[in-house]
Amino acid sequence: NAGVTQTPKFRVLKTGQSMTLLCAQDMNHEYMYWYRQDPGMGLRLIHYSVGEGTTAKGEVPDGYNVSRLKKQNFLLGLESAAPSQTSVYFCASSYPEGLPYNEQFFGPGTRLTVL
Amino acid sequence: GQQVMQIPQYQHVQEGEDFTTYCNSSTTLSNIQWYKQRPGGHPVFLIQLVKSGEVKKQKRLTFQFGEAKKNSSLHITATQTTDVGTYFCVSSSNTGKLIFGQGTTLQVKP
Repeated sequence: NAGVTQTPKFRVLKTGQSMTLLCAQDMNHEYMYWYRQDPGMGLRLIHYSVGEGTTAKGEVPDGYNVSRLKKQNFLLGLESAAPSQTSVYFCASSYPEGLPYNEQFFGPGTRLTVL
Repeated sequence: GQQVMQIPQYQHVQEGEDFTTYCNSSTTLSNIQWYKQRPGGHPVFLIQLVKSGEVKKQKRLTFQFGEAKKNSSLHITATQTTDVGTYFCVSSSNTGKLIFGQGTTLQVKP
């Protein structure tokens, strides 16, 4: 099993450009998440999904959109990139709450720089 | 909203010394999770604590959940260079959302 994979690993954008980050998981997890991590800070939740076709806002959703058309994929979109969106983006997935653990499995991250 | 505060932010120790990081919340937590992130890597789940006063051990790591379920700690005995990284305490909501503390970055001098 590959676990959680993210595409691309690195990207440099100019201000105003758009892009989509792809997250894929092969563990049949219901829940998927997008986080951003900035230097000296913990991870902050951008958007999440509790199942195919559903999405919800997290702590810092402004400037981002997401889609979960297939259970195994969760896409994060930046419509008009800004320098403040320079960050490392992590995708994660988990089983629903209620099982012994709702451990989250993280992908390797995407390092995005917006000039 | 729910927040977890973690101290210290940084800790430098000599190999073989002990290390402790603390996590505090102003509200009662349903559970607390601990993750480790190696430099350049992604967070990896270590453990989850659910019960008041719970203590769990993983080799040299000891995890505690406070009696009031408002604080937690991670203690590493006799640190090794492989312990280097950032340790996060994380609380979870009933919708599965995780709220990360700021993390404690551990440096170990050989």
